[in-house]
Amino acid sequence: GAVVSQHPSRVICKSGTSVKIECRSLDFQATTMFWYRQFPKQSLMLMATSNEGSKATYEQGVEKDKFLINHASLTLSTLTVTSAHPEDSSFYICSARDRGSYSNQPQHFGDGTRLSIL
Amino acid sequence: GDSVTQMEGPVTLSEEAFLTINCTYTATGYPSLFWYVQYPGEGLQLLLKATKADDKGSNKGFEATYRKETTSFHLEKGSVQVSDSAVYFCALSDTDNNAGNMLTFGGGTRLMVKP
Repeated sequence: GAVVSQHPSRVICKSGTSVKIECRSLDFQATTMFWYRQFPKQSLMLMATSNEGSKATYEQGVEKDKFLINHASLTLSTLTVTSAHPEDSSFYICSARDRGSYSNQPQHFGDGTRLSIL
Repeated sequence: GDSVTQMEGPVTLSEEAFLTINCTYTATGYPSLFWYVQYPGEGLQLLLKATKADDKGSNKGFEATYRKETTSFHLEKGSVQVSDSAVYFCALSDTDNNAGNMLTFGGGTRLMVKP
C-alpha cells in the first residue's frame, strides 16, 4: 500500500533553532501534501496545503514566514519551523494523496514528528 | 462549510464489549467518509472508508455505514480487544472542496479497552 515517510520522528532543540521536517511519498507521486499540527488530546489542525512546484496555501492564522513549506518534487515536501520557540512544541503530521486520485481516495499519513523546544 | 462531529471520549470498555462511536457530518457536496485510527505516538492510519450513500466500509472487524438520510457514519465493532485502544477520527472529503480535496476531521474519540 501507499507509504508516507516522515522524518525525523522526534526533535528536541533549543529556542531560536530552525527545524526542518521531511515528508516523502515512497511508492507514489503526490502533487498535493498536507501539513497538520496536533496538540495533546486534540484533533488535527490543518496548517497548510503543499502544492508541487508552487506556493503553499496556508490556513487562516498560520504564519507563512514561521512555517516555511517547500514542495520541490512529486515525492517530497518539507516544513521548516523557523526560529522555533517553546510554543511551537507540538506533534506535526503530514499526509499525501496519490497524484490524480479523487476526493473519494484516502490520504496517507506519515507517522508524525514530535517537536520539543526547550 | 463542512464539519464533522464525533462523540466525546474517552470511551472505556471491557474486552469483548460492543463498540459504537457516533459520527455525524455536514457537507455542501457529495462527500466521501473515512475513519482513521491513531495509536499512541503515531500518525494516522486509514481504518475504513465509504464513498457514497448506503456504502458500508469494513476492516479488522470494524464497520461503518454511510447514512445520507441521517448524515451519519457511526463506527461499530462487535467485540473489542485491548489492542483496539487508540484514538479514532471520523473525516470527510468533499467534492465541492476547492482546497485540493482536504480532509475535514472530527475531534477524535479516545477508546480505552480494559482486559
